[in-house]
Amino acid sequence: NAGVTQTPKFQVLKTGQSMTLQCAQDMNHEYMSWYRQDPGMGLRLIHYSVGAGITDQGEVPNGYNVSRSTTEDFPLRLLSAAPSQTSVYFCASSRYNEQFFGPGTRLTVL
Amino acid sequence: TQLLKQSPQFLSIQEGENLTVYCNSSSVFSSLQWYRQEPGEGPVLLVTVVTGGEVKKLKRLTFQFGDARKDSSLHITAAQPGDTGLYLCAGINAGGTSYGKLTFGQGTILTVHP
Repeated sequence: NAGVTQTPKFQVLKTGQSMTLQCAQDMNHEYMSWYRQDPGMGLRLIHYSVGAGITDQGEVPNGYNVSRSTTEDFPLRLLSAAPSQTSVYFCASSRYNEQFFGPGTRLTVL
Repeated sequence: TQLLKQSPQFLSIQEGENLTVYCNSSSVFSSLQWYRQEPGEGPVLLVTVVTGGEVKKLKRLTFQFGDARKDSSLHITAAQPGDTGLYLCAGINAGGTSYGKLTFGQGTILTVHP
């Protein structure tokens, strides 16, 4: 039982490049979320999903896309990376409001 | 947007001291959670408080939910170096479609020196 896994762990992009952050969970949780964490700002919700085929925007969705084709996977896509998207990204899956977080992806956009 | 404000933002103490971290909001939450995060890892849930006035204890950690469900506190007795980390409070919105959708405070970085 791996819990929530995220890849890659580190990534450096140039402005304008696109990439996908991968997230997978093996706990059969319906609810999954993406957060970004910046110094002094806690975690801010980007997008979330209440089940396969259903996604919705969180607090800071601009510049990010998500899809949920299976219960297990919830990838986050950066369409055209900007320096403001430099952050640590966490994926989480939920059961009865208990969030299980992945180890994070540290992204730097130059 | 519901906001949670944590204080203090930084706390540096000696082993054996007591400390309290506060989490305040002008909004009501249906429940509130505390997470602890270590460097290079994701947050891990410590506790969920649901009822106004509720007090929960986890070894040397005591969590309290305010009577009006707008604030919470985390008290650590006789802090140890192993308590070092980032502590985050998170509020769960009352009712509706907010399942799994948390509002986080900005965090308190605790350093306990041997």
